[in-house]
Amino acid sequence: EDKVVQSPLSLVVHEGDTVTLNCSYEVTNFRSLLWYKQEKKAPTFLFMLTSSGIEKKSGRLSSILDKKELFSILNITATQTGDSAIYLCAVERGTNAGKSTFGDGTTLTVKP
Amino acid sequence: GAVVSQHPSRVICKSGTSVKIECRSLDFQATTMFWYRQFPKKSLMLMATSNEGSKATYEQGVEKDKFLINHASLTLSTLTVTSAHPEDSSFYICSARDLRGYEQYFGPGTRLTVT
Repeated sequence: EDKVVQSPLSLVVHEGDTVTLNCSYEVTNFRSLLWYKQEKKAPTFLFMLTSSGIEKKSGRLSSILDKKELFSILNITATQTGDSAIYLCAVERGTNAGKSTFGDGTTLTVKP
Repeated sequence: GAVVSQHPSRVICKSGTSVKIECRSLDFQATTMFWYRQFPKKSLMLMATSNEGSKATYEQGVEKDKFLINHASLTLSTLTVTSAHPEDSSFYICSARDLRGYEQYFGPGTRLTVT
């Protein structure tokens, strides 16, 4: 059975802090790992990672994948209150039409 | 980016009635759509994979006769919750994958409340 574990489950920081969110996984026939941000509605896509060691960056957010150790991290630097959200990690298989298994998410609260 | 819509965004129904939720890909064709359910403060739980022109594939523990899925075209999938009960109250989210199969685009979700 595929498994995705995120840590921490929740995190409270102050504006300007840097945070690191973790995602470890076990999946047969790995295709990709994805990070999403969920505020009040459906998740919005952040990153898709398929190769080890290549950092993806978008503004203050960055992410990297380690396929040997089966984990990924999502970094957010200089956090802002608008970063407050649930961050979801999902892993896709290469078979079964690329079904995704989601982790339970990390709830990030950024205080002013 | 690609847009996926869901309708309705919110529905309240009485126990025993059926509710249909539509998921549309607005600016791309989707051979595969996914239906998820999300409980409060929990992650997304995949219910079924919907493939255009064929029967949906349901995850273990999801009753296919209760959650009817129809993927009639490359831009539309519907989920019908039949004979709804209060325990079916949840946030239902669909997603669609484009023909290239790179990304999943999520709809805004439908909040179902069964009284």
